[in-house]
This record gives sequence, structure tokens and C-alpha cells, in this order.
Amino acid sequence: DAKTTQPNSMESNEEEPVHLPCNHSTISGTDYIHWYRQLPSQGPEYVIHGLTSNVNNRMASLAIAEDRKSSTLILHRATLRDAAVYYCILRRGTSGSRLTFGEGTQLTVNP
Amino acid sequence: DAGVTQSPTHLIKTRGQQVTLRCSPISGHKSVSWYQQVLGQGPQFIFQYYEKEERGRGNFPDRFSARQFPNYSSELNVNALLLGDSALYLCASSLGQAETYEQYFGPGTRLTVT
Repeated sequence: DAKTTQPNSMESNEEEPVHLPCNHSTISGTDYIHWYRQLPSQGPEYVIHGLTSNVNNRMASLAIAEDRKSSTLILHRATLRDAAVYYCILRRGTSGSRLTFGEGTQLTVNP
Repeated sequence: DAGVTQSPTHLIKTRGQQVTLRCSPISGHKSVSWYQQVLGQGPQFIFQYYEKEERGRGNFPDRFSARQFPNYSSELNVNALLLGDSALYLCASSLGQAETYEQYFGPGTRLTVT
């Protein structure tokens, strides 16, 4: 599976936007970009995914670079509940349901 | 609808023993995957089952085995437990295998091996 690179940690203030970057320079044309997050003492939860175009849902936005070698997860107004580890994951059809997690980015939200 | 459920919540075992962990997927989900999460690391893929057949296996020893039942629930078995097997074991379910399907995770089973 193609590898992703994320910063180990990031910090934000409550009610401010947060941009979480992910590099995936070896991405293939059929890899989907998925984001999951894991709140303390919980299992991971799905956030958003995309292939080429930017995507929006009720939780976040996903901005994908034109060359697809990087992407950014955008939380428009961070809340204390958004403090979690955020994982950027590439998925392709041949991998089935397998998710390959890296170390992720620990997001701290300050009140 | 209920989410993914796992049992037990916590478990303490002794080295050399065997353990069985259980997972009930969301109703209608036919794919179940198992992950191991050691403290401070991201989850590591162990198995995936779809329509009661093994469809993927991670880099884990043969002491780890799993199965999926006709109602799509699943069990993960670990034999000859080692101290290094202490971890949070997560189960995830999805409608199918396609790379566009969301995975829904349960709260996990915390296994401690002493």
C-alpha cells in the first residue's frame, strides 16, 4: 500500500479552523484518500473520503491537490470534542476492507 | 440502529492461555475486520471476513485465527498468549469490501496478558 506522511501533532484553538495535512507522493490513480479519527478511549470513526475532487460533509472538508500527492482535512470550527488522533489512509480496491493506519496526527484543541 | 458491539469489554489472561473475542456488526453489514492496537500506535490489520470467507490477513502469526458466522458476527481467537498480545482489539464492519465503503468500528476489547 502507498504510504502517507502526517505531522505527529498539531494544536488549535476552539472555534478556529484547523487544516490537517497529509502527504502521499506514491499514490496511485485508483487510490481513494480516507480520513478517520480516534477520540480517546474509543474506536476510530470515519470522517470523509475522496478520489480527485474536493469533498464536503457535515463533519469536515477534504481538499485534494491537483496532482493528488497531498491532501488536507479541514475542520471549519474546531470544538473540544474534535481533539483526537486523525489518520490519513489510502485505500484501493485490491485491498478489500483493509485499512492501513500510520501514526496519525494528534490534534489538541485549546479552549 | 445499534453500532458495532464487542464483548467482553476488558479481559485479563495469563501467558499461554487462549482467548476468544466476539464482534456483532451493524445490521446489514456483511464485512467484518479485526485490528490490534498497541498503546501509542495506530491499529494494525489482522483479518477481514466477507460473506463468511476470509478475504484478507495481516502479518500476524498462526496463533491468531478468526471466523464469521451465518449471521455475520465474528470471533477472533488467539492461542498461546504472549505478553506482547496485550492490546486493544478492534472490530470494524462495513456493507461490503469496496474502497468507498465506510468502516464502522466498535469500542474494542482491552486484553491484558500477565
